[in-house]
Amino acid sequence: AQSVTQLGSHVSVSEGALVLLRCNYSSSVPPYLFWYVQYPNQGLQLLLKYTTGATLVKGINGFEAEFKKSETSFHLTKPSAHMSDAAEYFCAVSDWTGGFKTIFGAGTRLFVKA
Amino acid sequence: DSGVTQTPKHLITATGQRVTLRCSPRSGDLSVYWYQQSLDQGLQFLIQYYNGEERAKGNILERFSAQQFPDLHSELNLSSLELGDSALYFCASSAVGRQNTEAFFGQGTRLTVV
Repeated sequence: AQSVTQLGSHVSVSEGALVLLRCNYSSSVPPYLFWYVQYPNQGLQLLLKYTTGATLVKGINGFEAEFKKSETSFHLTKPSAHMSDAAEYFCAVSDWTGGFKTIFGAGTRLFVKA
Repeated sequence: DSGVTQTPKHLITATGQRVTLRCSPRSGDLSVYWYQQSLDQGLQFLIQYYNGEERAKGNILERFSAQQFPDLHSELNLSSLELGDSALYFCASSAVGRQNTEAFFGQGTRLTVV
């Protein structure tokens, strides 16, 4: 069965610093991987996704993630944090095991200090 | 605006009661997903429907049920409500169940059981 582990329920960075949010997954078949962001009192919106092909995926708002099969990881990065990046971030994996469904990690709340 | 509409936005009800949450997917999306988000459990996948049929099941309690109607809208029914059912319930939709497409989320229904 699929599972997603996000390391660190809270991450705090200074404005302008590197953002690194960690995600490890397990899946018995090649997965589809996603990062979503949730702002307060809103639903989740897609940041980026990996399906096939290039393992470095670029998303919106300057975020990118790299799929590393050997490490079963899909970490999210952004070179320079902005105050508006403060939100909760969810890593998710989809595959066809037991029917197509998407499983989300527990989420990582990103705090950005001025 | 994701194109997914959930009603009502807020719901307050007493223990033991039954409520129905409604979701209208994006135009043309055949897959509908339901998720529960609570502080202690995070974002939990409940159930997925594809073109009217149940496609995948997650951590959905027996007191909960869902269906997808011919016009593709979906309802999540929660019965014999308990205090612990208080949470944010999200509906999401995607284009086709077997595609590697992302899910688009509604704004959620916040359920408070008192």
